[in-house]
Amino acid sequence: GDSVTQMEGPVTLSEEAFLTINCTYTATGYPSLFWYVQYPGEGLQLLLKATKADDKGSNKGFEATYRKETTSFHLEKGSVQVSDSAVYFCALSRRDSNYQLIWGAGTKLIIKP
Amino acid sequence: ETGVTQTPRHLVMGMTNKKSLKCEQHLGHNAMYWYKQSAKKPLELMFVYSLEERVENNSVPSRFSPECPNSSHLFLHLHTLQPEDSALYLCASSQGLRVGGANVLTFGAGSRLTVL
Repeated sequence: GDSVTQMEGPVTLSEEAFLTINCTYTATGYPSLFWYVQYPGEGLQLLLKATKADDKGSNKGFEATYRKETTSFHLEKGSVQVSDSAVYFCALSRRDSNYQLIWGAGTKLIIKP
Repeated sequence: ETGVTQTPRHLVMGMTNKKSLKCEQHLGHNAMYWYKQSAKKPLELMFVYSLEERVENNSVPSRFSPECPNSSHLFLHLHTLQPEDSALYLCASSQGLRVGGANVLTFGAGSRLTVL
């Protein structure tokens, strides 16, 4: 079945460092891919998405490119801030499964000033 | 209010209690969801209600009972829970179940449940 694998956290970085959170997936066909973020004490919110191969999603300085050849959707940011500290979830959905989201386990990001 | 609102935010209950979690969405969405979030595990979809259908995860125990009286309100009734049911319960909504390749969910802040 479909699955999403994320790097285990926590990931701890200093402010202004470069961020990469790896996400790979297993799915048939052409899934849509998502990154959601959960700030402390809040629910999840959509960060960015990509619906076809080679699409790049971007928002708030974060980017992720849909790479079908490597089945990956890695999240990157050039310079992180303390306010980026949160848990990041990678997810996919497919038409054949009624677009139900398949989630990764989440990666906790800690940014130190 | 806007978005998705969940109450209560925190709930402590004994194993013999009966309680309910409430979710309300003000987005005009047609699908609502209950998710269970446990530490270091992927989100677990429990139930989905939409205009088209109701979807259940067959692995969810019967001590969890959903109710969706209309498209804006969703309840999760809790009865004789176990300590392992302690988790964050998230409600979400979306435009529908089959709205194309980018079915974006809007989440509430969650109800933190502790079962003693």
